[in-house]
Order: sequence, then structure tokens, then C-alpha cells
Amino acid sequence: NAGVTQTPKFRILKIGQSMTLQCAQDMNHNYMYWYRQDPGMGLKLIYYSVGAGITDKGEVPNGYNVSRSTTEDFPLRLELAAPSQTSVYFCASSSPGQGRAPLHFGNGTRLTVT
Amino acid sequence: AQTVTQSQPEMSVQEAETVTLSCTYDTSESDYYLFWYKQPPSRQMILVIRQEAYKQQNATENRFSVNFQKAAKSFSLKISDSQLGDAAMYFCAYRSFTGTASKLTFGTGTRLQVTL
Repeated sequence: NAGVTQTPKFRILKIGQSMTLQCAQDMNHNYMYWYRQDPGMGLKLIYYSVGAGITDKGEVPNGYNVSRSTTEDFPLRLELAAPSQTSVYFCASSSPGQGRAPLHFGNGTRLTVT
Repeated sequence: AQTVTQSQPEMSVQEAETVTLSCTYDTSESDYYLFWYKQPPSRQMILVIRQEAYKQQNATENRFSVNFQKAAKSFSLKISDSQLGDAAMYFCAYRSFTGTASKLTFGTGTRLQVTL
């Protein structure tokens, strides 16, 4: 069972570069999320999606964009990378389940912007 | 908006002993879910235990149990017979019962050390 797969695992970007963090899930989950985790901190929600074609901003969306063209994939795009975006990024998914269903997390992408 | 507070940045416990991690939250909702997630050095987020707010009975999963005090908005995690493999960051999280997407709101975490 693959679950939630994130690529790449690590990446170093220069200031001003762009990149896409990939996230795919094979559990047919409607809900998908992107979180970032800064050192010593909890996870903060960047963007989320309730289904293909539907996305919405979370707590810290500035500097990021997302798309959801299929149920399986939810890529996160960083435009004009800044040092403040140095973080570990987690993708997660869940079935609707009225909140009872737990989130399934990928293993994270560690991004460094220098 | 809901907030989750973990007031213990670090805790330490001896192997085989019991430790309790604290979590408080703020919400105006009456129905919601609470979770504890474990994050070992591998970075993986692992669900430890879950509690439905409408259930009075405290959830238990093997050595892990919670003390859910709804009126006090408190949700502590008790780890019994601590093992070296329990060493990790532990995050408390809140999730709405209704509403779109049921987003999780996390606390800042408690780092648990387990000593011999």
C-alpha cells in the first residue's frame, strides 16, 4: 500500500527559483491538504482541497499555489522561493468521514531556500 | 478559529514509567474530534489515538490513553510502561465535526525523551 507519496524528499533552492512539490495518494480520498512545519513548531495549513477542481486557502497560503486536476494528485507550487519558505512540507489526505477519519500523511519534503 | 496549546515543549520519562502530555484547546463548537500524533525522527506523522467529543468515555489504545475533560477543554495523553521507541515529538490536533474539509489544527508539540 503506497498511501500518500511525496516527491522529492529533499530539495535546495536558490532565492527566486520556483519548484513544484508533488503529492499523490492511492486511497481515493476526496480531501487533501498541504502543511508546512517550521523547526520546533507544529504544522500550519497552506492549502487544502475537497475534491478535483476545488481548492481553498489555509492559514499560510502566501507564496504558494495549488491545483487539483485529479482525485489522486495535489501538487504544491512555490513561485519565487524565499528563505522564509525553508521548512518541511507535508501532504495529507483523508476520506470525508465527518471529521472522524484520520489524516494520512506523506513522509514530508525538506526544502531549504538559500 | 480554533486554537490548540501544548504548554510542555519537552518532557522526559524513564523507561517503564508513565508520563502525561498536556493539551488544551479553544473552540465554540460542541462536536469535534481530537487526535494525538507521534512524529519520530524519521519525520513520519503517526496517529496515536483519537477522541470524539460526543463520547464521554476516554479513548485507549494499548499503552496510550487520554484524559478528555470537555468542560475544561483539556485533552491529555498518558503513556504507560514507556519504551525507548516512544521517544518522539507528540502533537495534539483538533478537527471540526462538520464543515468543509475538516481541517486539522495542530499544537506546537511536546518532545518526549525516554531514558534508561
